[in-house]
Amino acid sequence: DSGVTQTPKHLITATGQRVTLRCSPRSGDLSVYWYQQSLDQGLQFLIQYYNGEERAKGNILERFSAQQFPDLHSELNLSSLELGDSALYFCASSVGPMPEKLFFGSGTQLSVL
Amino acid sequence: AQSVTQLGSHVSVSEGALVLLRCNYSSSVPPYLFWYVQYPNQGLQLLLKYTTGATLVKGINGFEAEFKKSETSFHLTKPSAHMSDAAEYFCAVTKGAAGNKLTFGGGTRVLVKP
Repeated sequence: DSGVTQTPKHLITATGQRVTLRCSPRSGDLSVYWYQQSLDQGLQFLIQYYNGEERAKGNILERFSAQQFPDLHSELNLSSLELGDSALYFCASSVGPMPEKLFFGSGTQLSVL
Repeated sequence: AQSVTQLGSHVSVSEGALVLLRCNYSSSVPPYLFWYVQYPNQGLQLLLKYTTGATLVKGINGFEAEFKKSETSFHLTKPSAHMSDAAEYFCAVTKGAAGNKLTFGGGTRVLVKP
């Protein structure tokens, strides 16, 4: 058990809808990272928050947004969903601002029908 | 921008045989390099990392990797495969101490035959 909690584990929704994925980092970790894993794109870095502030941005679509709350949990919001957004979304956390050792959650499997 | 190439999306090894997973990187500055493992239905777990210093790095579960700057490689090895090593392995890179984006390779799925 990595100590990183992601909910829900599975999510099935329709095109055009909006969903929210939730992540609780390990106790004491200040950074949260979001990754998307799909068969065709592999593991893609989306965004990182450190102590409530956005720190790094990757290949995140404009339809996607994230935030980190004062209690350090994070939410990834996906809107106007398309079939191609179907993927496994991972959250990871680290103690500091640099990704020298990431602890990954078990992921949220999103299926857009 | 940094990038990682893993040669071979699938590798099959016999139990007890050498495991060799290849990783080549591209980085404009001295990189930090990582290997992560993903077991079925789980998140990724750090196996080992190279930041500075000794170029031969030992990790968990008997794995090790060697940073070779001249070859821009960071291959992962284990002398003797075990059935429990069946998983997907990812090589990753950041731009050294200043790197705040971890870029992953495409992954190599390892099958261990009895």
